Amino acid sequence: GIQVEQSPPDLILQEGANSTLRCNFSDSVNNLQWFHQNPWGQLINLFYIPSGTKQNGRLSATTVATERYSLLYISSSQTTDSGVYFCAKRGAGSYQLTFGKGTKLSVIP
Amino acid sequence: ETGVTQTPRHLVMGMTNKKSLKCEQHLGHNAMYWYKQSAKKPLELMFVYSLEERVENNSVPSRFSPECPNSSHLFLHLHTLQPEDSALYLCASSQERTVSYEQFFGPGTRLTVL
Repeated sequence: GIQVEQSPPDLILQEGANSTLRCNFSDSVNNLQWFHQNPWGQLINLFYIPSGTKQNGRLSATTVATERYSLLYISSSQTTDSGVYFCAKRGAGSYQLTFGKGTKLSVIP
Repeated sequence: ETGVTQTPRHLVMGMTNKKSLKCEQHLGHNAMYWYKQSAKKPLELMFVYSLEERVENNSVPSRFSPECPNSSHLFLHLHTLQPEDSALYLCASSQERTVSYEQFFGPGTRLTVL
């Protein structure tokens, strides 16, 4: 089945620092999303990015479909960025989003 | 209301109780999903409804019973659950047969089975 691997599993940052989160896939990418799960469990959509690069404020994402990975960049991190970041991929012909295990980010003042 | 809403947000039930989780999407989507998130495990798809028909069922025990009366509403009926069913249950929706298949999630129902 589709495998989704995220790294690092845990990340601690000083407020204001930048970070890069990575997501690798075991097969081709045709439908990929990044989410932020806040402490209350809500999954917030960050990017829908099957290929290319997108930016939204301090966050940006790049997916290189031919090399089967996606990156999420967080710049000038804030304490409100803390939480778990998930990438998820949907396989061809399936409704299911397969999630990685997530990267737990803690931003300290 | 906007986006995807779920009620209740928290639920505590005994193993012999019957309860239902409710999900409503206000996005005009035509597919709805139930996911389960247990501690230390990735999110798992439970059920998918597309155009009000169940299209995927990932080997979920029969004590979980979904219902999709229309494209905006999805229910998950619970009966004789086990303590290991305690988890965060997330509802999602998407617009199928279009350029983007982006899924949008509700806030979840945190279920505790005693």
